Amino acid sequence: SQTIHQWPATLVQPVGSPLSLECTVEGTSNPNLYWYRQAAGRGLQLLFYSVGIGQISSEVPQNLSASRPQDRQFILSSKKLLLSDSGFYLCAWQRDRGNYGYTFGSGTRLTVV
Amino acid sequence: GDSVTQMEGPVTLSEEAFLTINCTYTATGYPSLFWYVQYPGEGLQLLLKATKADDKGSNKGFEATYRKETTSFHLEKGSVQVSDSAVYFCALNQINYGGSQGNLIFGKGTKLSVKP
Repeated sequence: SQTIHQWPATLVQPVGSPLSLECTVEGTSNPNLYWYRQAAGRGLQLLFYSVGIGQISSEVPQNLSASRPQDRQFILSSKKLLLSDSGFYLCAWQRDRGNYGYTFGSGTRLTVV
Repeated sequence: GDSVTQMEGPVTLSEEAFLTINCTYTATGYPSLFWYVQYPGEGLQLLLKATKADDKGSNKGFEATYRKETTSFHLEKGSVQVSDSAVYFCALNQINYGGSQGNLIFGKGTKLSVKP
């Protein structure tokens, strides 16, 4: 069966510090991968998605970046965090074909102080 | 472009009340429709889905019927419980030319609070 792992679960970082959030998927190959952000009390904002190794599409210009160094690994990064980067970050995967929707990770609560 | 509109929350109900959360969509073609649920502090979980017109998705006492004529996919439950308190997201996706899946398009979410 397929599983998705996301870590860390919570993170408190000072303004200006770097960020690295990791997401891995097991039990499938060539998944579509996604990073979403959810600000407190608000909806989902798609940040990045990837349909293959090294292929990243950005939905929102900002100081975040994403990379996909391996087929089932998706990393969200920042060189210098801003207060406005605080939020709940969710990774998700999707089969590249079929009609299955997304499977989400358990999320990372990031607080920038 | 394609879009999903959900009723604004929050929705507050007493235990055992009837629940309806409205969802309408705008899309070309024949999208698949989904409801996701997010419990406090957790990621989203797929609650139910429907892939073609008149399909009814159901799970954990929740139901939603894909109505093409009204472009709707309203979520219903006959008797809610305190444990149903969560945020509910309606979503759609399309199959791209060539058979690959498109990105899901989400509504803004509806927060449900059920009081004992």
